[in-house]
Amino acid sequence: KAGVTQTPRYLIKTRGQQVTLSCSPISGHRSVSWYQQTPGQGLQFLFEYFSETQRNKGNFPGRFSGRQFSNSRSEMNVSTLELGDSALYLCASSPSPGALYEQYFGPGTRLTVT
Amino acid sequence: GIQVEQSPPDLILQEGANSTLRCNFSDSVNNLQWFHQNPWGQLINLFYIPSGTKQNGRLSATTVATERYSLLYISSSQTTDSGVYFCAPSGNTGKLIFGQGTTLQVKP
Repeated sequence: KAGVTQTPRYLIKTRGQQVTLSCSPISGHRSVSWYQQTPGQGLQFLFEYFSETQRNKGNFPGRFSGRQFSNSRSEMNVSTLELGDSALYLCASSPSPGALYEQYFGPGTRLTVT
Repeated sequence: GIQVEQSPPDLILQEGANSTLRCNFSDSVNNLQWFHQNPWGQLINLFYIPSGTKQNGRLSATTVATERYSLLYISSSQTTDSGVYFCAPSGNTGKLIFGQGTTLQVKP
């Protein structure tokens, strides 16, 4: 089975721009969660999607949004980028929501905001 | 929410040595996973262990949910074991809560 894929792997953007990151879960998995990793804050939960619905949301501003498509692929969008948004963005897939099952992570997208 | 504390924060070992990493959590959990983050940033699943003991090769893990801690044992360490180890429990909120990690360096 193919693993979780994320695109793009690396991205450089300028302050004020917006960015869209993509995550394709393991085949058959319907839950996708997003996490942000920074040196200062560590790994923090952004949101979780299951069956095209956001089920859970972390403590991030409204500039961070996401969606899930009928094939379970998910995208997250960050608008009006700030320098502090520079981070590694990881997505995880799982058969069902709520972290009751093992979660599998993709390789991440490293975003640099200049 | 759940607070997670990992110790030690940093660990340096000679190849072949054994080590124990600890994860304390502040509340009851439904799930707990251990991950190894490689130098490229990917989180590799090590164990899904909400309770009990599991072994996989040179690695084993034990979670005592009633006492709110989990341990990861690495035996006969190798240089490829270097990296950051995270434990991540989840409770009723349904999201993984990551500790700050243990950075392991194994020297040849």
